[in-house]
Parts: sequence; C-alpha cells; structure tokens
Amino acid sequence: AQSVTQPDIHITVSEGASLELRCNYSYGATPYLFWYVQSPGQGLQLLLKYFSGDTLVQGIKGFEAEFKRSQSSFNLRKPSVHWSDAAEYFCAVGARSSASKIIFGSGTRLSIRP
Amino acid sequence: DAGVIQSPRHEVTEMGQEVTLRCKPISGHDYLFWYRQTMMRGLELLIYFNNNVPIDDSGMPEDRFSAKMPNASFSTLKIQPSEPRDSAVYFCASSLSVTGVLEQYFGPGTRLTVT
Repeated sequence: AQSVTQPDIHITVSEGASLELRCNYSYGATPYLFWYVQSPGQGLQLLLKYFSGDTLVQGIKGFEAEFKRSQSSFNLRKPSVHWSDAAEYFCAVGARSSASKIIFGSGTRLSIRP
Repeated sequence: DAGVIQSPRHEVTEMGQEVTLRCKPISGHDYLFWYRQTMMRGLELLIYFNNNVPIDDSGMPEDRFSAKMPNASFSTLKIQPSEPRDSAVYFCASSLSVTGVLEQYFGPGTRLTVT
C-alpha cells in the first residue's frame, strides 16, 4: 500500500534562511507526488506536483522539489524563506492506477523566526 | 473564478443532533472529494464523486455519515446523529479530470464542534 512519511513534525527557521522539508513515500512504482500548503484557518493550496519528466519541479511562491527515485524522496526546498511562509506543509502521493485518490502525509508545521 | 465554497465555516452542535455540511465545487469540475482533518488522524479521504456519482466511500467512518451530490454544483455531507468524536475540520475539494484528477482544489473547510 502506498504511504507518505514526513519525519519532521515542526521546523523553525530564521527569515531569509534556506528551507528543506522532507518527504518519503512508499510505493511500488513511480507515483504522482505533490506538496500542499495550509495556512491557519485555510484550506490546502497546491504548491507543486510531479507526474513525470524533469525530476526538479518548480512551484508557486518560490518553492521547488526534487524527486529522487533511489531514495523514495520528494523534498521541498526554498532558498530564502519569508515570514509569510509560516504554515503547515503536506506531502501527498497518488497512484497512477487509481487516479482519483491521493494519500497525505501527517504534515510539517513551519515556523519562521524573525 | 470562485474557488470551492463551503458552508457553514463553523458549526457548533450538541451530541445527537443532525449536522449538514455543504459544498459548491468549482464550476466545470467533475470530481468532488470530502476530507476530514483531525490532529490525531491527519487528513482522511471520506468519499469522492465523479460526475455526481459516488465512486469510493470506503473512508466514511460509519453509517452515521452520508454524502450526496444531487447535481454538479452542490454536495452535502450529513452526520446523524453527531458525536463528540466527529469534531474536526471537514474539507471539500474538486478537480477536473481533463487537467489532472489528482490536482485538487480545496475549500476553506468547515470546523465542526460537537459538544
């Protein structure tokens, strides 16, 4: 069965510092991969997605993620965080054989230190 | 274009009462999803529809939960009777199969508190 693991529950970084949020997935074949962001009191917003092709994908708000098949990882990165990036981030995986369902990780809460 | 609309945004009710949550998907989207989010269990898919037809309701926790989609622009999630453990944030999401079924657009959620 497919699964997603986000090992970091909470991360704090200083404004202007770089960021990397970890995501590992378990799936027998190449999955669809996503990162969503949830601001307090809001729904989830899609940051970026990987379906195929270039393993480095660019998203909105200056985020990028790299798919590494050998490590079953899809880590999210940003070179310089802004205070407005404080939110909850969810990695998600979808099966190509079941195009309608995606499984979400437990989320990583990002705090920004002024 | 308006995003996914959910109502009410907040609902407080007493145990045993019926609760109805409402969702209007993005116009033209043919998939609709209901999720529940709690601290303990994270984000769980409850049920999803394609062209107004329920496709997979395996995530619905028990018979007290039911969902309908009478037309392409409206869906409801009903809990009857409600229990304190149903307290959660319920999200509705929609997507368009042509552009990518998995690219889901979420509503702002309904925060349900059952006392």
